[in-house]
Amino acid sequence: NAGVTQTPKFQVLKTGQSMTLQCAQDMNHNSMYWYRQDPGMGLRLIYYSASEGTTDKGEVPNGYNVSRLNKREFSLRLESAAPSQTSVYFCASKDRVLDGYTFGSGTRLTVV
Amino acid sequence: QKEVEQNSGPLSVPEGAIASLNCTYSDRGSQSFFWYRQYSGKSPELIMFIYSNGDKEDGRFTAQLNKASQYVSLLIRDSQPSDSATYLCAVKAFGNEKLTFGTGTRLTIIP
Repeated sequence: NAGVTQTPKFQVLKTGQSMTLQCAQDMNHNSMYWYRQDPGMGLRLIYYSASEGTTDKGEVPNGYNVSRLNKREFSLRLESAAPSQTSVYFCASKDRVLDGYTFGSGTRLTVV
Repeated sequence: QKEVEQNSGPLSVPEGAIASLNCTYSDRGSQSFFWYRQYSGKSPELIMFIYSNGDKEDGRFTAQLNKASQYVSLLIRDSQPSDSATYLCAVKAFGNEKLTFGTGTRLTIIP
């Protein structure tokens, strides 16, 4: 039982490059989320998906796109990376009944 | 005003003492409250949740909620060095699928 799996764990990109962060959960959760965490800023919501087939913007969506591929998978895409997107990215999922999130292990992204 | 506010710390507590972590929130519609522990370089881990006014105890941890004062706290009794971490407070409004997080309080337990 892996919980929430994120790949990759580390990535260095050059400005302007694109990449997709992958997230998969095996807990049959309906809701999935992408957060970024920066020093002094806490966890900020980028996008979320309340159910398969739906996605919504969070607090800081600019520069990102998401795809809820199926109930298990929720990917985050950076089309043209910028140094301001250097951060730690966390994927999370939530059970319909219990409100607390389960987080993945995170992706540490550096844009140079 | 931030929606969820926490003192960033660091909060230093001697081993064996009680650590008290505080959080205030601005949305009176908030109905679910969570405490996450995050070790350096790791992901947040849910340690407590509380929905009703009053206290909720789980082992050495007690969550306290006062909706009238829009205040939630976490007490850690018999603090251990392994409790040294950043503690994140999070709140959720009824019918809202999103959690809003505070910036966290860094706790250091001094042996």
